[in-house]
Amino acid sequence: QKEVEQNSGPLSVPEGAIASLNCTYSDRGSQSFFWYRQYSGKSPELIMSIYSNGDKEDGRFTAQLNKASQYVSLLIRDSQPSDSATYLCAVPTGGGNKLTFGTGTQLKVEL
Amino acid sequence: SAVISQKPSRDICQRGTSLTIQCQVDSQVTMMFWYRQQPGQSLTLIATANQGSEATYESGFVIDKFPISRPNLTFSTLTVSNMSPEDSSIYLCSVLAGTDTQYFGPGTRLTVL
Repeated sequence: QKEVEQNSGPLSVPEGAIASLNCTYSDRGSQSFFWYRQYSGKSPELIMSIYSNGDKEDGRFTAQLNKASQYVSLLIRDSQPSDSATYLCAVPTGGGNKLTFGTGTQLKVEL
Repeated sequence: SAVISQKPSRDICQRGTSLTIQCQVDSQVTMMFWYRQQPGQSLTLIATANQGSEATYESGFVIDKFPISRPNLTFSTLTVSNMSPEDSSIYLCSVLAGTDTQYFGPGTRLTVL
């Protein structure tokens, strides 16, 4: 089992819809979780971090964490074409600050 | 968040040569990391650059191939040695801000012919 798993997509949603991106992880001891956005040809940009079970909202983005089920998700409300990118889930592993990344989910927001 | 720069932004190199990539951050940071992102793939950690001591390499990466320097708390270099076409990737440095949040530099796109 991979340490961090994501569906590679592409996930296509119409403009204005809610995009739901999911990530599962294997290390039950993980305490922090990160979502990065990566536009084609660019470096990853941190958009959300979450540490506690439940929801964390930041503008149009909501991160959801369920430690018992070992999954973390990212919801993007009112999706815009500018949200089209690859979304990477990252989890610290090995007990330190090293991040393990999922393979990323490509999101396409269509007009 | 920290402002991170990398040089060069891209390069095309001949096989058998070496390239040194620089990473500069605008504030002192405790930890710096080097990642590789191969075409169409996610990020893989190469090593943690430790200030004042040898870098800590991940499984599959060795110092002879990827020597790293970290002379101070704002600067690090990664050298890709004796390059082959399989080394064609984007190389990214990141810094640790706070206790667990990493921010990435703009990356160096390397093509080896």
